[in-house]
Amino acid sequence: LAKTTQPISMDSYEGQEVNITCSHNNIATNDYITWYQQFPSQGPRFIIQGYKTKVTNEVASLFIPADRKSSTLSLPRVSLSDTAVYYCLVGEGTGFQKLVFGTGTRLLVSP
Amino acid sequence: ETGVTQTPRHLVMGMTNKKSLKCEQHLGHNAMYWYKQSAKKPLELMFVYNFKEQTENNSVPSRFSPECPNSSHLFLHLHTLQPEDSALYLCASSQAGNNEQFFGPGTRLTVL
Repeated sequence: LAKTTQPISMDSYEGQEVNITCSHNNIATNDYITWYQQFPSQGPRFIIQGYKTKVTNEVASLFIPADRKSSTLSLPRVSLSDTAVYYCLVGEGTGFQKLVFGTGTRLLVSP
Repeated sequence: ETGVTQTPRHLVMGMTNKKSLKCEQHLGHNAMYWYKQSAKKPLELMFVYNFKEQTENNSVPSRFSPECPNSSHLFLHLHTLQPEDSALYLCASSQAGNNEQFFGPGTRLTVL
């Protein structure tokens, strides 16, 4: 399983765009990149997943450069309710089950 | 609501007690998981069940005993726990071939 590195914390203000970058230098050919969000005392929630280039859904966008050694989760126009911990995970192919969570990035959104 | 429920939400137990955590998923998934999240630590995978068969035991002490009677239910039986076992215990489920896991709200366990 590829190791991931992300900033420990980030601060933002309501209405701003937030970009959280994750490094995964040892990503394998079959690995996908997945992001989860976790609020205090709750289970993580799947946000987005991608393999290469750009993926967008109703919540976020995921940018993956051609070398796939990093990825950036982009949250447009954050609100106070986006304050949470964001985890970047890398796993093999579809159906990978052994999710290995790192320490994640603690995002604090202020008014 | 994620479709995964856990009971109880909070549990306080002594080191000599025996208790069980219950997880139920209403999503028709065929894989279920137990995770442990201690304060200020990353989530740790404990057990994985595929089609009721245990496929992963992540070096978990024997005082934690999982049980999966069917694809919708998962239990974690606890006995002679230690105070350091106090944590948030999370259950998750997924569909085989899909790596999106759906997590329950967790059980906050305190061992005195």
